Amino acid sequence: DTEVTQTPKHLVMGMTNKKSLKCEQHMGHRAMYWYKQKAKKPPELMFVYSYEKLSINESVPSRFSPECPNSSLLNLHLHALQPEDSALYLCASSKGQGDYGYTFGSGTRLTVV
Amino acid sequence: EDQVTQSPEALRLQEGESSSLNCSYTVSGLRGLFWYRQDPGKGPEFLFTLYSAGEEKEKERLKATLTKKESFLHITAPKPEDSATYLCAVGSGGSYIPTFGRGTSLIVHP
Repeated sequence: DTEVTQTPKHLVMGMTNKKSLKCEQHMGHRAMYWYKQKAKKPPELMFVYSYEKLSINESVPSRFSPECPNSSLLNLHLHALQPEDSALYLCASSKGQGDYGYTFGSGTRLTVV
Repeated sequence: EDQVTQSPEALRLQEGESSSLNCSYTVSGLRGLFWYRQDPGKGPEFLFTLYSAGEEKEKERLKATLTKKESFLHITAPKPEDSATYLCAVGSGGSYIPTFGRGTSLIVHP
């Protein structure tokens, strides 16, 4: 299995809603990442987990809350988002932090209304 | 600070018209240069990793080359299905996280 699976593919949520994005990989990768991507821009790093521990938080607002329940799963909990948070949210994994050969998921298209 | 600049921002080609995309970089100790292809609304798909100047990699109509200052992605006789955004990223000794360029949007007309 050489895939990173993200669910849902599309999500529309109100500013008072609570939702979660999910990411799963079964490649034995020990580093997992959340990226945010706006149209016509490169991916922007949000969080890095290494061996299931939060390694890097790129000053992301607290309305985004990551969770790594085990080595295969990565969640991103969303609460009280703003319309400007609408974007494509990408999950990626690699063998380890510092291994740049990322495998990306297909992303979740998030729209905040 | 690592910097990656891709050019052109957008490129339109006729089917069969070969061309090259450029990725110039400034890093402190290159640990790898990576090319990805991204289709609209999808995640980036890994294409190539290059580690040292002079290295070349090929895959179907794509060939990536690397010098000490830049990388080229050569597209030979492109087809409409090659239309996508091509992203370049570099990893350096100064950071565990790769630095992405802004990408080149390629459109190949039939």
